[in-house]
Amino acid sequence: ELKVEQNPLFLSMQEGKNYTIYCNYSTTSDRLYWYRQDPGKSLESLFVLLSNGAVKQEGRLMASLDTKARLSTLHITAAVHDLSATYFCAVDGSYSQGGSEKLVFGKGMKLTVNP
Amino acid sequence: DAMVIQNPRYQVTQFGKPVTLSCSQTLNHNVMYWYQQKSSQAPKLLFHYYDKDFNNEADTPDNFQSRRPNTSFCFLDIRSPGLGDTAMYLCATSGWTGGYEQYFGPGTRLTVT
Repeated sequence: ELKVEQNPLFLSMQEGKNYTIYCNYSTTSDRLYWYRQDPGKSLESLFVLLSNGAVKQEGRLMASLDTKARLSTLHITAAVHDLSATYFCAVDGSYSQGGSEKLVFGKGMKLTVNP
Repeated sequence: DAMVIQNPRYQVTQFGKPVTLSCSQTLNHNVMYWYQQKSSQAPKLLFHYYDKDFNNEADTPDNFQSRRPNTSFCFLDIRSPGLGDTAMYLCATSGWTGGYEQYFGPGTRLTVT
């Protein structure tokens, strides 16, 4: 059974600081997603990582995927208050029907960026 | 713009009173998913449709049913809601045109009183 673990689950940091958060998963997969969720809102797609060594950057966030280590990182550079949200990683557990995915989510990391 | 739409956005129902949540999409995706997300928890997959094929997760309560009358629409029926069914319900779609990435709707926040 695929398990996805995020670390840490809560993070309070000051504006301007850098930090890396981690997402580990237990079985082979080559598709990993990062989502952002604001309180009371739906999931917003941040990154789709489809292969080993994939690195994507958007603004102050950069995500990478190491499928051999079953690890993804989300690096925050010079945090700002607007980044405060909950961040989920999700891994494709895959169904036999090609093109449908069973996403298994981590528990989410609640980020608070303090001015 | 192509999108995933959920109605209503907020729903309050009484304990035991059936409720139906709606999801529609203009992406022409062949796969539609329903997730339940309780407060401070991760989304949990309830079931999905691959075209007309219904796929139930093993731990989805029998109280939850779904219908997909056509490609564009999918419904979540809760036959006898309990207080524990208070949650955000998220619909998502995927298909080859989107590289099989799941596109999420805005969600329906259901409160059972």
